[in-house]
Amino acid sequence: TQLLEQSPQFLSIQEGENLTVYCNSSSVFSSLQWYRQEPGEGPVLLVTVVTGGEVKKLKRLTFQFGDARKDSSLHITAAQPGDTGLYLCAGAPQGGSEKLVFGKGTKLTVNP
Amino acid sequence: GAVVSQHPSWVICKSGTSVKIECRSLDFQATTMFWYRQFPKQSLMLMATSNEGSKATYEQGVEKDKFLINHASLTLSTLTVTSAHPEDSSFYICSAADRGYEQYFGPGTRLTVT
Repeated sequence: TQLLEQSPQFLSIQEGENLTVYCNSSSVFSSLQWYRQEPGEGPVLLVTVVTGGEVKKLKRLTFQFGDARKDSSLHITAAQPGDTGLYLCAGAPQGGSEKLVFGKGTKLTVNP
Repeated sequence: GAVVSQHPSWVICKSGTSVKIECRSLDFQATTMFWYRQFPKQSLMLMATSNEGSKATYEQGVEKDKFLINHASLTLSTLTVTSAHPEDSSFYICSAADRGYEQYFGPGTRLTVT
């Protein structure tokens, strides 16, 4: 069974601080997605990384896929209260499985 | 693009009744749809995978006779919770995927069984 270990589970920071969320696995994924979910809503896709070593930037968010495609990170610069939410990483296993493997999520709170 | 809707957004029902939740992909054809359940402050738990025109594949521990899934078309899948009980109260989320690996999620349905 493939697992994605996501850390930290909870993160509470002040506005303007930087933070990094990690997703690690011993398995290789063909791609990895990052989602953000707000209370009472469904997850919203932020980015998909496919190539080992790939780095994608979305405004203040930087996503990285490890060279071996086993891990990924999400870095937020100068966090804002609007960044508050549950961040989920999800990996697409190699072999063409349609099912995603989800991390347990990181609950981020950015205090004004 | 890639918009998925769910209906209803919330529902309250009495114990013993059945509830149907609809999931629609509005601007793309979904070859596969997924149904998840989410408990408070936790990640998503996959319940089943459904492909249009075929029987759903249920995850281990999910009762297929209790959670009936029908994938009638490439844009519609339904989840029916039969003979609902209070322990079925939860947040149910569907997602839809086209031929790629990305899943697009609906806004979720909050089910409360009294």
